[in-house]
Amino acid sequence: GAVVSQHPSRVICKSGTSVKIECRSLDFQATTMFWYRQFPKKSLMLMATSNEGSKATYEQGVEKDKFLINHASLTLSTLTVTSAHPEDSSFYICSARALPAYTFGSGTRLTVV
Amino acid sequence: GQNIDQPTEMTATEGAIVQINCTYQTSGFNGLFWYQQHAGEAPTFLSYNVLDGLEEKGRFSSFLSRSKGYSYLLLKELQMKDSASYLCAVLSGGYNKLIFGAGTRLAVHP
Repeated sequence: GAVVSQHPSRVICKSGTSVKIECRSLDFQATTMFWYRQFPKKSLMLMATSNEGSKATYEQGVEKDKFLINHASLTLSTLTVTSAHPEDSSFYICSARALPAYTFGSGTRLTVV
Repeated sequence: GQNIDQPTEMTATEGAIVQINCTYQTSGFNGLFWYQQHAGEAPTFLSYNVLDGLEEKGRFSSFLSRSKGYSYLLLKELQMKDSASYLCAVLSGGYNKLIFGAGTRLAVHP
């Protein structure tokens, strides 16, 4: 079946630094990928839709300058958390559609200290 | 606006049957998904309904009524490993965005 590879799985960074998270579709092409954020014991909150070759579409309330998304190829989307702060600590997870299902990456646990 | 409701928590006994309900109100509807998620892991696909009716897949079944904005996930012959969160998600919008409900935490007891 379709596989979405996401890394790193865990990252700890200092406040003020930036962190890049990669999401790759391994055996299919994804013109669109989705980035979610999940707080403990909460559901997935859609942050943005990543579009290959064009600008990402952000959900209301998500700062586009804070969460930079690049979708440079049909198999790779990246999310960069810029100038990270402790409140950005969360579980970030990407997704792409391989019909009929949406397949998810394994997620990235970000801790900002 | 979009609103997806499902119970927060449920408990059930090993070997029993449990039904997890989901109601939704969304702008545009292109289908409904159910996912299972264990703590700290990625969601895994369970079912997809786009037409009214029941879809059966092994121990899991999912039902959809578009006119009522209602779906349920039915789990039969419950096993301890079925203890997880079950996420109802609606596909909507031009980009086919998958919007999740808050999830139902199911605890299966011996």
